[in-house]
Amino acid sequence: DTGVSQDPRHKITKRGQNVTFRCDPISEHNRLYWYRQTLGQGPEFLTYFQNEAQLEKSRLLSDRFSAERPKGSFSTLEIQRTEQGDSAMYLCASSLGQSDLGYTFGSGTRLTVV
Amino acid sequence: AQSVTQLGSHVSVSEGALVLLRCNYSSSVPPYLFWYVQYPNQGLQLLLKYTSAATLVKGINGFEAEFKKSETSFHLTKPSAHMSDAAEYFCAVSDPGNKLVFGAGTILRVKS
Repeated sequence: DTGVSQDPRHKITKRGQNVTFRCDPISEHNRLYWYRQTLGQGPEFLTYFQNEAQLEKSRLLSDRFSAERPKGSFSTLEIQRTEQGDSAMYLCASSLGQSDLGYTFGSGTRLTVV
Repeated sequence: AQSVTQLGSHVSVSEGALVLLRCNYSSSVPPYLFWYVQYPNQGLQLLLKYTSAATLVKGINGFEAEFKKSETSFHLTKPSAHMSDAAEYFCAVSDPGNKLVFGAGTILRVKS
């Protein structure tokens, strides 16, 4: 069990560029979550997968955001045409089954849009 | 919909003093409740969880929390603060089977 891995740890991009983040969950975990955290705030839910199916998306997830989890393993989160307001920490978490067990979080990807 | 309110965005205590971080929740059904800790530039680490068993829950690093349904509270305590406890703490609530909803966090400062 190597925990939840996120790549890259940091990303600086120019406004208007596309970025993609990757998350590798704990191998036996079937649920994978994406959260966004801005300075001074708690994590805000973006979306989650059970296996390869995307079961829920937040209203925060605009059309510029897309997430995938092919084959129910790793997941990617893509942001198209980035805006300065997208600057945040993007956290990935995984769990085995329902959330009553709690999540295991990765270290996050910090995105800075300049 | 469930929600969490953490009272006090910053709490400062002296080393060796009692730590008390406050959390109140709102949920339409019996909730699951969690406390997480976050160190700078890191992800969140689970401290403890309440899932309808014992109302007093013990977690890692000497922390514990008590579920009080009548007060809709789940406050986090530690009898004696250590310098290494300085971090940001998040309370979270989940309806069974659903996603976690987090509070805004409380930054704990420990003075020597």
